[in-house]
Amino acid sequence: TQLLEQSPQFLSIQEGENLTVYCNSSSVFSSLQWYRQEPGEGPVLLVTVVTGGEVKKLKRLTFQFGDARKDSSLHITAAQPGDTGLYLCAVAGGTSYGKLTFGQGTILTVHP
Amino acid sequence: NAGVTQTPKFQVLKTGQSMTLQCAQDMNHEYMSWYRQDPGMGLRLIHYSVGAGITDQGEVPNGYNVSRSTTEDFPLRLLSAAPSQTSVYFCASRKAYNEQFFGPGTRLTVL
Repeated sequence: TQLLEQSPQFLSIQEGENLTVYCNSSSVFSSLQWYRQEPGEGPVLLVTVVTGGEVKKLKRLTFQFGDARKDSSLHITAAQPGDTGLYLCAVAGGTSYGKLTFGQGTILTVHP
Repeated sequence: NAGVTQTPKFQVLKTGQSMTLQCAQDMNHEYMSWYRQDPGMGLRLIHYSVGAGITDQGEVPNGYNVSRSTTEDFPLRLLSAAPSQTSVYFCASRKAYNEQFFGPGTRLTVL
């Protein structure tokens, strides 16, 4: 059983559409991170959410941490082809903040 | 700063061969980690280190060894390569409670 369940696993949309990606768990977390990975490269951090109910915006991307700190969502408004990539959520685990556990990811393709 | 560097970028091995994947960072980060990425599995932690001389196992450590003799370097050794180790390997580093930086990855194929 995955600690973090991401949905959907694949998303193919047209430029200009809106979309939401979900990251769910039955565990409570002190913080959660979202990463974006382009083909042939390593993941790059987009945001860290810490407080239950927190909403953070990064241009057309809106990130929300659930009130109970068990889930998170990433909403993209007016998607563009440059948003294409793999989106991963991750949480720090154990006593060492250096360990991250990742969800299986959502592959987003935005068609022109 | 070069950030996190990994070598080689691509590698093909035969079953049973051994090799070392190199990872270095020039940001003076305490934490370094190795992950493998397989389709539909996200990234899974192999080994990690919280400082020079200190390492610990992650989720999928079998078949891999690590050591951390300096703050900068964190090599990953495959002792006897198996086809199941075909994957993309990422090294990452971070300061405590801060952003994790990933290297560009090593694409390994074991025949």
